[in-house]
Amino acid sequence: GQNIDQPTEMTATEGAIVQINCTYQTSGFNGLFWYQQHAGEAPTFLSYNVLDGLEEKGRFSSFLSRSKGYSYLLLKELQMKDSASYLCAVTRYGGSQGNLIFGKGTKLSVKP
Amino acid sequence: DTAVSQTPKYLVTQMGNDKSIKCEQNLGHDTMYWYKQDSKKFLKIMFSYNNKELIINETVPNRFSPKSPDKAHLNLHINSLELGDSAVYFCASSQDTSGGGDTQYFGPGTRLTVL
Repeated sequence: GQNIDQPTEMTATEGAIVQINCTYQTSGFNGLFWYQQHAGEAPTFLSYNVLDGLEEKGRFSSFLSRSKGYSYLLLKELQMKDSASYLCAVTRYGGSQGNLIFGKGTKLSVKP
Repeated sequence: DTAVSQTPKYLVTQMGNDKSIKCEQNLGHDTMYWYKQDSKKFLKIMFSYNNKELIINETVPNRFSPKSPDKAHLNLHINSLELGDSAVYFCASSQDTSGGGDTQYFGPGTRLTVL
C-alpha cells in the first residue's frame, strides 16, 4: 500500500517563508509532484522531483530525499494569492505508473 | 484556449439516475485520467486510459465506466447514482505514462450533487 502525510493546515504572514512537508511510504516510488489548488479550482502543476535534491523555480522550491521518503515545498516572499491547498503526489513504477497518488493536501492561509 | 475542458460544470441529479460527464483535451496528449475529490478535498485516481490500456483503480465501483471515442476525449458514465457519489470529478491528461514523470493537466472539474 501507500501512505502520504502532510499537515492539514498552515498559516503564514505575507512576505514570509513557509515550508510544507510531505512524507511518503510507497512501494515502487518513482517521483513526487507538488500541485497548487485554489478553492473551487483545478489543481495546477508546481514542481516535479525524481532525483534527490532541491529544484528551484522562482519563489517556489521543492526538495526530495528518496532515502528518507521526504519532500518539502518552500514558498518564499509569500503573497496573499498563495493562499491555497498544496497537494503532494507520488507516482510509482508499474502498470499504473502514470497515476498520481495524492496526499490529503495542506491548506495554507496567508495573512497580512 | 482551454487545454482540458469538462462539461457540465455542475450536475444535480436524483439517486438512481444514470449520468455522463464529458472531457476533452486539445493538448495532443496520449493519456487521460479521471479523479474524484470528496468533501474533505481528498483527490483520488479513478481511471487512467490511453489508446492501449485502461487501468482501473480497484476501489472504483463498476457503476463507473470510462468511454473514449478518440484520443482527445474520455467521458465518464455513472449508472445508478448514489448519495456517496456526490463529489467533484476532475479529468486530466498527460503526454504519456512512460516513466510516470509527465505533468498532468487538470480540467476545471464537475461538481456532482446526488439528491
